Amino acid sequence: AQKVTQAQTEISVVEKEDVTLDCVYETRDTTYYLFWYKQPPSGELVFLIRRNSFDEQNEISGRYSWNFQKSTSSFNFTITASQVVDSAVYFCALRSNDYKLSFGAGTTVTVRA
Amino acid sequence: GAVVSQHPSWVICKSGTSVKIECRSLDFQATTMFWYRQFPKQSLMLMATSNEGSKATYEQGVEKDKFLINHASLTLSTLTVTSAHPEDSSFYICSAGTFSYEQYFGPGTRLTVT
Repeated sequence: AQKVTQAQTEISVVEKEDVTLDCVYETRDTTYYLFWYKQPPSGELVFLIRRNSFDEQNEISGRYSWNFQKSTSSFNFTITASQVVDSAVYFCALRSNDYKLSFGAGTTVTVRA
Repeated sequence: GAVVSQHPSWVICKSGTSVKIECRSLDFQATTMFWYRQFPKQSLMLMATSNEGSKATYEQGVEKDKFLINHASLTLSTLTVTSAHPEDSSFYICSAGTFSYEQYFGPGTRLTVT
């Protein structure tokens, strides 16, 4: 069985602060993919990143960075110098061999001006 | 590329009526389509998976006679909510999967049953 846990329900920060979103996953598969999605108030899911289980390199894309640690089954996401436009719900998801995506509960990020 | 559309984007219907939601992959062929339901402030829950020309596979607890899925072509899948009730009010999201197992999400359909 697959499971994705996002322990943080809500995070509120002031603009320009950094914010880190935690994601812990469980799977018995050796090959799997991890994802982060952003869901703004409009509801449409925005794809942020995909990482496969064999690639543990951390990644940076602009103000976004991801830390994948297989040893602790974690795939954390950091927004540096947050902006009001970053306010959204962020979902971590796991996909294994059966092609289905399992989503975490989501973390609501509110960035205050 | 990889654009998925949903129609309608929002719909209000009366209790007891049926509503059809379309999901189209606009610029690619989707081998598999997925339907999710999202209640307010909750996560996405997979309802069913469908392959073109085959019957849909429903997740445990999803009533297949209530949520009819048709995947008539490699670019179109429909979800029909039959005899809708207020508890069916939700945000319905489809995703289209490619041969390389990527999933692309539609913008969602907000259903309100009065």
